[in-house]
Amino acid sequence: GAGVSQSPSNKVTEKGKDVELRCDPISGHTALYWYRQSLGQGLEFLIYFQGNSAPDKSGLPSDRFSAERTGGSVSTLTIQRTQQEDSAVYLCASSFGGFNQPQHFGDGTRLSIL
Amino acid sequence: AQSVTQLDSQVPVFEEAPVELRCNYSSSVSVYLFWYVQYPNQGLQLLLKYLSGSTLVKGINGFEAEFNKSQTSFHLRKPSVHISDTAEYFCAARGANNLFFGTGTRLTVIP
Repeated sequence: GAGVSQSPSNKVTEKGKDVELRCDPISGHTALYWYRQSLGQGLEFLIYFQGNSAPDKSGLPSDRFSAERTGGSVSTLTIQRTQQEDSAVYLCASSFGGFNQPQHFGDGTRLSIL
Repeated sequence: AQSVTQLDSQVPVFEEAPVELRCNYSSSVSVYLFWYVQYPNQGLQLLLKYLSGSTLVKGINGFEAEFNKSQTSFHLRKPSVHISDTAEYFCAARGANNLFFGTGTRLTVIP
């Protein structure tokens, strides 16, 4: 499709398990972002990738969170040893490079930790 | 301190009435400003953006916003709302490598 694609759309897992969330950005977009949307917390920035530059990881809440972007395209957000407070909607966005370029969002992955 | 403030968490309005959703930004963020809309179980969709130039910005679905530097505001308006406008609306400002979002305003259009 033409938009940002995220999978799975929903994920339910037990506390302590690891999860991987996938994002396929819009073709040609060099920038990729991960955000977390929690009740009462709004939208929080997690991590930013731009081309081949080192990612900006300043928003990752703990060392249990990590992300990769392979070949400048698909990205995977990994959460290790999940906790109940990790329950949220994880949104991916992509854009062309450039400070003023709007970000285009996927529909998100709703993660529920039991 | 929050960089983008949306003053109203919920705004109910009757169908075909005008609406204004308020947003203020702090001087610590850039003046690249955006409004996004989120329908249930969907991601965010860009409504409009202000980058420079005319302070009145027109977007999709009949929405517009006015950038006011002296009041550090970027309020969203629509002269006549439809039932289909019921959604969550987010104001955002561009940071160095990300967007700073407000906490959102839930717009409910009442038939």
